[in-house]
Amino acid sequence: GAGVSQSPSNKVTEKGKDVELRCDPISGHTALYWYRQSLGQGLEFLIYFQGNSAPDKSGLPSDRFSAERTGGSVSTLTIQRTQQEDSAVYLCASSLAPDNTQYFGPGTRLTVL
Amino acid sequence: AQKITQTQPGMFVQEKEAVTLDCTYDTSDPSYGLFWYKQPSSGEMIFLIYQGSYDQQNATEGRYSLNFQKARKSANLVISASQLGDSAMYFCAMRVSNFGNEKLTFGTGTRLTIIP
Repeated sequence: GAGVSQSPSNKVTEKGKDVELRCDPISGHTALYWYRQSLGQGLEFLIYFQGNSAPDKSGLPSDRFSAERTGGSVSTLTIQRTQQEDSAVYLCASSLAPDNTQYFGPGTRLTVL
Repeated sequence: AQKITQTQPGMFVQEKEAVTLDCTYDTSDPSYGLFWYKQPSSGEMIFLIYQGSYDQQNATEGRYSLNFQKARKSANLVISASQLGDSAMYFCAMRVSNFGNEKLTFGTGTRLTIIP
């Protein structure tokens, strides 16, 4: 079946602009995660959704970052007023249930000029 | 706090040889899961193998096996008969339940290069 998909695959933006990153999880997966991978910080957790609720937003680095999930499916990660330090690969993962294996999408490479 | 340590930033291995990638972890929680993911140059994280803290036997998946030594808090990945396509970054990760949030904590990774 189809895996996790993310769009766009690459995004180049100017400092100060807003960006939206999209994640389509595997059909039927109730849990959805966003991670960020950067050279300096490695792989770090951002936010977790169970259904449409986000019980843990502890990894979001600032209030410029927000995320939502609708219909228990698609999720959007929004970064407002982007900064150069936001440049990274943003990875989305989903799992059938919170205690199941997480399967990752191909990621969105964000470059802030 | 949970921590994963991978001490080998890079490894070079001859094709067809076996390779062991090291991973140690730290947690005070008795229930946890350990994962290995492969990240080729394309960037996608590919799930390889899982070991639960209460599993009695070491996990195996094809050419991959996990050498789980609970008392030493280590979960090394063993790849048998390495192939050129095994060249990639390998990440060890741990999942500890946190109010239902089963987030993964990752190590810094090991870059494996298979030499023909």
